[in-house]
Amino acid sequence: SQTIHQWPATLVQPVGSPLSLECTVEGTSNPNLYWYRQAAGRGLQLLFYSVGIGQISSEVPQNLSASRPQDRQFILSSKKLLLSDSGFYLCAWSVGRGKATNEKLFFGSGTQLSVL
Amino acid sequence: SQELEQSPQSLIVQEGKNLTINCTSSKTLYGLYWYKQKYGEGLIFLMMLQKGGEEKSHEKITAKLDEKKQQSSLHITASQPSHAGIYLCGAVLRAQKLVFGQGTRLTINP
Repeated sequence: SQTIHQWPATLVQPVGSPLSLECTVEGTSNPNLYWYRQAAGRGLQLLFYSVGIGQISSEVPQNLSASRPQDRQFILSSKKLLLSDSGFYLCAWSVGRGKATNEKLFFGSGTQLSVL
Repeated sequence: SQELEQSPQSLIVQEGKNLTINCTSSKTLYGLYWYKQKYGEGLIFLMMLQKGGEEKSHEKITAKLDEKKQQSSLHITASQPSHAGIYLCGAVLRAQKLVFGQGTRLTINP
């Protein structure tokens, strides 16, 4: 069966520090991978998605970047965190068909990031 | 502005009462998803609707997609404390990517 792991669960970082959140998927090959951010009262905002290794699409301009060094690994990064980067970050995957699809998403347990 | 509008944004009901959450789009919905999120956790898939007029049920939760495929409703019958959480609708609106509404926070009072 497929599983998705996301860590850390919580993170407190000072402004200006770097960030690295990691997400891995097991039990499937070539999944589509997604990073969402959830801010209070604003639902889920799609940040990045990837349909393959090294293929990253960015949805909104921001202080963050994403990378996919391996088929089932998705990393969210920042060189210098801003206060506005605080939020709940969710990684998700769906069955990959070489393009972004409307397949059901499976979510990780999330990372609560507080930038102070 | 939100591409998907959910209403209400928060809801407090007494245990045993029925409730409805709505999700509205200005565009035709191709695939409407309902998820539930417990506070500070990931999302749990509830149901997916694709056809206009489609209705699905799981235990005491029923979701419908209207004929014009621009609105969906989630109805909970005889609510229980286990129903508490945040309900999010998601839809494929553009470029085959799933976007979400802002969520409805449901509280069940005993």
